[in-house]
Amino acid sequence: NAGVTQTPKFRVLKTGQSMTLLCAQDMNHEYMYWYRQDPGMGLRLIHYSVGEGTTAKGEVPDGYNVSRLKKQNFLLGLESAAPSQTSVYFCASRSILRGRSYEQYFGPGTRLTVT
Amino acid sequence: DQQVKQNSPSLSVQEGRISILNCDYTNSMFDYFLWYKKYPAEGPTFLISISSIKDKNEDGRFTVFLNKSAKHLSLHIVPSQPGDSAVYFCAASAGWDSGAGSYQLTFGKGTKLSVIP
Repeated sequence: NAGVTQTPKFRVLKTGQSMTLLCAQDMNHEYMYWYRQDPGMGLRLIHYSVGEGTTAKGEVPDGYNVSRLKKQNFLLGLESAAPSQTSVYFCASRSILRGRSYEQYFGPGTRLTVT
Repeated sequence: DQQVKQNSPSLSVQEGRISILNCDYTNSMFDYFLWYKKYPAEGPTFLISISSIKDKNEDGRFTVFLNKSAKHLSLHIVPSQPGDSAVYFCAASAGWDSGAGSYQLTFGKGTKLSVIP
């Protein structure tokens, strides 16, 4: 099991460029999440998905779009990157099963710099 | 409005001693609390959790205490080891019944623990 993987690990963009971050999980989890982590800010939820074909906004959704066409993949898109989107992005997933159902499993992160 | 607060950005402890990391919350709808550990250049990993119906949960060297009346929880690490040096995040969830719909986690800003050999 690879768990949660993220592609790419690093990326530098110029202002106005677009890109897509890919998150994949092999645990058959229903829920998936995208967070950003900025210095001194903790993790903030961007968007999430409770199942294939469904997405919803989190705390800081502006400037991002997401898609969940397949259960195992969750894509985060930046249509026109801005320097304020320089951050480390983490994807996470969670099972719908009871028990330790609140626990989210995180990927290794994508470090994005927008110049 | 920060709903989960970790007021100590950093903590230094001698190896073998107890580390106590604190977390306060404001949302009375939170019913489940988790601690995550994060090393540099890695994703957060789950450490330990506690339901609001309990006041203590123990897992090896790690114990989490919950004081609902004070809206406070703490993570105790005994004994502390150099490998425990990391950033620790407190997180809370309000669960489905509150209307969150997704068991969203609200994270604190983290406390950087340094265990000195």
